[in-house]
Amino acid sequence: RKEVEQDPGPFNVPEGATVAFNCTYSNSASQSFFWYRQDCRKEPKLLMSVYSSGNEDGRFTAQLNRASQYISLLIRDSKLSDSATYLCVVNSGYALNFGKGTSLLVTP
Amino acid sequence: EAGVTQFPSHSVIEKGQTVTLRCDPISGHDNLYWYRRVMGKEIKFLLHFVKESKQDESGMPNNRFLAERTGGTYSTLKVQPAELEDSGVYFCASSGTSGGYSYNEQFFGPGTRLTVL
Repeated sequence: RKEVEQDPGPFNVPEGATVAFNCTYSNSASQSFFWYRQDCRKEPKLLMSVYSSGNEDGRFTAQLNRASQYISLLIRDSKLSDSATYLCVVNSGYALNFGKGTSLLVTP
Repeated sequence: EAGVTQFPSHSVIEKGQTVTLRCDPISGHDNLYWYRRVMGKEIKFLLHFVKESKQDESGMPNNRFLAERTGGTYSTLKVQPAELEDSGVYFCASSGTSGGYSYNEQFFGPGTRLTVL
């Protein structure tokens, strides 16, 4: 079983739509949780950390359910510039464990 | 401030040849990591340096891969001899904390795209 699992998509949504991504992880000892964004042929960049109480950064909201080992990312009012691959990332030490990513395409 | 840099950006070699990838972390970052993304798979951890010491090399695929970090500055990852399945994108990342367990954001370099023919 993979450590981090995500629906690969693609998710095609119109500008202004709300879209949600989900992710599950297998290691219950995992301590830190993140969403990274990766543009085509670029490096991953940290989008936001995910906290147990849930957290929001502008149009982005992340949630963590430790009991279900489930992480989510909600993007409101999608912009064309949100088109990218969103990587669910978990770590239990220094090494990061990545999901394969969920592809998002926001269309005009 | 300069980010993580990697060289070369692309490398095309034949099976059996040797390739050396280089990573320069963000100045002052003690932690340096290597990751790899093989086509169709997720990004996978290879190893972690704290300064010049290998802290965790559990992700290294086999003994054809050798990583070094001389003087705790830049790092090299050598593949010798290269095999077809080594093709992929090799990312380097660095982060700033070195004491105890504490997550500091890992900043990724642009990657080296390796193709083994």
